[in-house]
Amino acid sequence: DVKVTQSSRYLVKRTGEKVFLECVQDMDHENMFWYRQDPGLGLRLIYFSYDVKMKEKGDIPEGYSVSREKKERFSLILESASTNQTSMYLCASSLRGVSEAFFGQGTRLTVV
Amino acid sequence: AQSVTQPDIHITVSEGASLELRCNYSYGATPYLFWYVQSPGQGLQLLLKYFSGDTLVQGIKGFEAEFKRSQSSFNLRKPSVHWSDAAEYFCAVVASAGNKLTFGGGTRVLVKP
Repeated sequence: DVKVTQSSRYLVKRTGEKVFLECVQDMDHENMFWYRQDPGLGLRLIYFSYDVKMKEKGDIPEGYSVSREKKERFSLILESASTNQTSMYLCASSLRGVSEAFFGQGTRLTVV
Repeated sequence: AQSVTQPDIHITVSEGASLELRCNYSYGATPYLFWYVQSPGQGLQLLLKYFSGDTLVQGIKGFEAEFKRSQSSFNLRKPSVHWSDAAEYFCAVVASAGNKLTFGGGTRVLVKP
């Protein structure tokens, strides 16, 4: 079974802190994604990566950055957390091209 | 740019009744379409996908979906709903030219006893 693991299920951070959300997949997938999920807005793509050290902005990249130093790991970074970044964050991975994406369990981040 | 619309935010259905969830996409070329389900507190699970071929696709848990190019739709159906089908359902599209997976806003399904 494909497994996508997010390092934390719940996280509480203070405004202005630098926050790292980690995601690891074990199926040698080329693509990895970070989404943000908010009620009524569905999943919105923040960033995705199609190869090591490669990244592309999604629909809402402002206030976020990413890092992909190894194929299996994709990190989302909030440089200076703000309360409007309180949300559920979902990581996903897929094979290159058009294919099914597999999701992690999500990290519920609260910024206070 | 590709986009997905799910017109119904909430749907309430009685157990045993049929269910249909609507999905409309906007994309110029042939889309690749998915339906995912998210149970409370869980990640997303793939129900079914359409890449090409037969426009009626079968998925897991008794779900099916029909691709209608003329209507730019990919509606999800289940003939008889079970209480365990209460969840949020997301339609998604991938453009043939790239890897980007775009989701609709989701439809939350409540099942009445």
